[in-house]
Order: sequence, then C-alpha cells, then structure tokens
Amino acid sequence: EPEVTQTPSHQVTQMGQEVILRCVPISNHLYFYWYRQILGQKVEFLVSFYNNEISEKSEIFDDQFSVERPDGSNFTLKIRSTKLEDSAMYFCASSQDGLSYGYTFGSGTRLTVV
Amino acid sequence: QKEVEQDPGPLSVPEGAIVSLNCTYSNSAFQYFMWYRQYSRKGPELLMYTYSSGNKEDGRFTAQVDKSSKYISLFIRDSQPSDSATYLCATVSGGYNKLIFGAGTRLAVHP
Repeated sequence: EPEVTQTPSHQVTQMGQEVILRCVPISNHLYFYWYRQILGQKVEFLVSFYNNEISEKSEIFDDQFSVERPDGSNFTLKIRSTKLEDSAMYFCASSQDGLSYGYTFGSGTRLTVV
Repeated sequence: QKEVEQDPGPLSVPEGAIVSLNCTYSNSAFQYFMWYRQYSRKGPELLMYTYSSGNKEDGRFTAQVDKSSKYISLFIRDSQPSDSATYLCATVSGGYNKLIFGAGTRLAVHP
C-alpha cells in the first residue's frame, strides 16, 4: 500500500537553529498538509498546500514557518529559528482529491529543541 | 468552547469487551466526522468516516453520529489486544478540508 514517508524520524536541534522536515507524499496525490502534535496534546493543523501554493494556514503557522515543494516528489516544512515550544511530532499528510477522508498520514518526525 | 472534545482516558478493557468511544463537537455546521487510530510513534490512520447523522459499520467497528446532540461515537465489538491504541475523533472545517481533532482516547485491551 502506498505510504507517505517522512525523514528524519527524530531530529534534535538547538534553539535558534533552522530545521527542515522532509516528506515524500504519495505519488499521485495533489494536496499536502502539515500537522503537529505537542506531547500530550491534540493533533493540530498547520498548513495545507495545493497547486504550488499555500491554500490555508493556521495561526500557529507564523513567519518562522515555510513550506515548499522543491521538486516533483518532496514536500518540506522549514522552521527558521526554532524555539523550545516547537518541540513536537510533525506529521505530513497527502490526499489525491483534497477530501479529508482521503488523507494518508506519514509516521511523523519527532522534533526536539534543546 | 473547544470545537471537538474527547475524554483522553485511559480506558482499559478485557479482550472481547465492547468498547464505546465518544466525542462532542460545538459547531452544528460540521458535516463530516472521522475516527482515526494512532499507534505509538505512528501517524493517525483513518478507520472510518461518516457524513451527517446515522450509523456506519465496518467489521467490528461502528461509527455513529447524532447531530441533534452533537455527539459522535465509535463502538468496537469483540475487542482485541491489537486494538490497543489511541483513538482520535475528527471533523472537517473550512474549504480546504482541514481536520480538527479531539484529544484522543488511549485504549488498552488486555488478554
């Protein structure tokens, strides 16, 4: 069964450093998403991306965050200057037709900011 | 008021029990409801979705939506130790189908 692949599975970074989280969505999917889950809290929407642009973003997704689809296969989330409170699991998801019941989530990247 | 509320549990049941997991939501405009299962250190995996009110059954799983009381439920029959996971209810908001999740209920099914 097709999978959404995320790398790395765990990233430790120092406060203030930039990190790039990588995702390879399912190949024929057109809609891409990032969610995050702080330990013990809800899974929260960050951003959706379609047709090479952001279609919606949450208030969490401020200027320190950016997303990119640099080539035909990767989808990245960049955090420019990490803070302690950015420590969380970050999940990438993709969907062929933008219907939420068609989402496939990756296994996540655990980001630890020290 | 939180958009989707879910008791985090944990819930511990013996193998073979019927499990009932529940959520409430605040916005009567919500139409699509999903249940996701999340194993430790994995991403959410879609179990079932329903549109509007009613029941939907898939094997041992039944999803139920009561729009009059803004209540959604997932029933698991003949629960198995492999059902041990966190169960997340979710609904859809906005034009780009973003998901709003509940807090998740941690379920443990013991042999």
